Amino acid sequence: AQKITQTQPGMFVQEKEAVTLDCTYDTSDPSYGLFWYKQPSSGEMIFLIYQGSYDQQNATEGRYSLNFQKARKSANLVISASQLGDSAMYFCAMSDAPNFNKFYFGSGTKLNVKP
Amino acid sequence: DAGITQSPRYKITETGRQVTLMCHQTWSHSYMFWYRQDLGHGLRLIYYSAAADITDKGEVPDGYVVSRSKTENFPLTLESATRSQTSVYFCASRDPTGRTGTDTQYFGPGTRLTVL
Repeated sequence: AQKITQTQPGMFVQEKEAVTLDCTYDTSDPSYGLFWYKQPSSGEMIFLIYQGSYDQQNATEGRYSLNFQKARKSANLVISASQLGDSAMYFCAMSDAPNFNKFYFGSGTKLNVKP
Repeated sequence: DAGITQSPRYKITETGRQVTLMCHQTWSHSYMFWYRQDLGHGLRLIYYSAAADITDKGEVPDGYVVSRSKTENFPLTLESATRSQTSVYFCASRDPTGRTGTDTQYFGPGTRLTVL
């Protein structure tokens, strides 16, 4: 079974609006980590935000927040006040027991921000 | 503050040739990783290393060899390249004592490899 599922291959959002990128995950272990990365057209992978399975609060980093719904096994990324520079591929990833070094990535969502 | 560098950034080779992709990090992170990125698959782990001389297989290790004689270097070798190994290859390292206190991985710029 796929560990990470991103069901939106592509999305459009108007500049200055908020957008939610979906991510669902599959693990039976109670201890895991969830990550979001951004990949602009230049190709580098940029770490955005992390959520631990035991964290009580949703993670936030500037305009990025992670909407963590543990019972639904979802970890959606919310970008507030979209900017043109947010246009990129976004990947959700997870690490879980027994080997937290193994990251599982989703297939990504291509976000286009329209002026 | 160089972080992680990869070389070459672009490489074209022929089927059956040996090719080595280099990865160098300046943070002294103990863990290093190699991924490949193909359309529709996201990133898939090839090999990783917990420390010098300690390596382990990831999700797609076949056709690849790694070594780690020094903490800062983690080369990936394709012993006999095949067309199916055409991909973008990313090296990463783990920051266990970083800001998040988590197992966040930080990535190099990638190497685009084409096997003809």
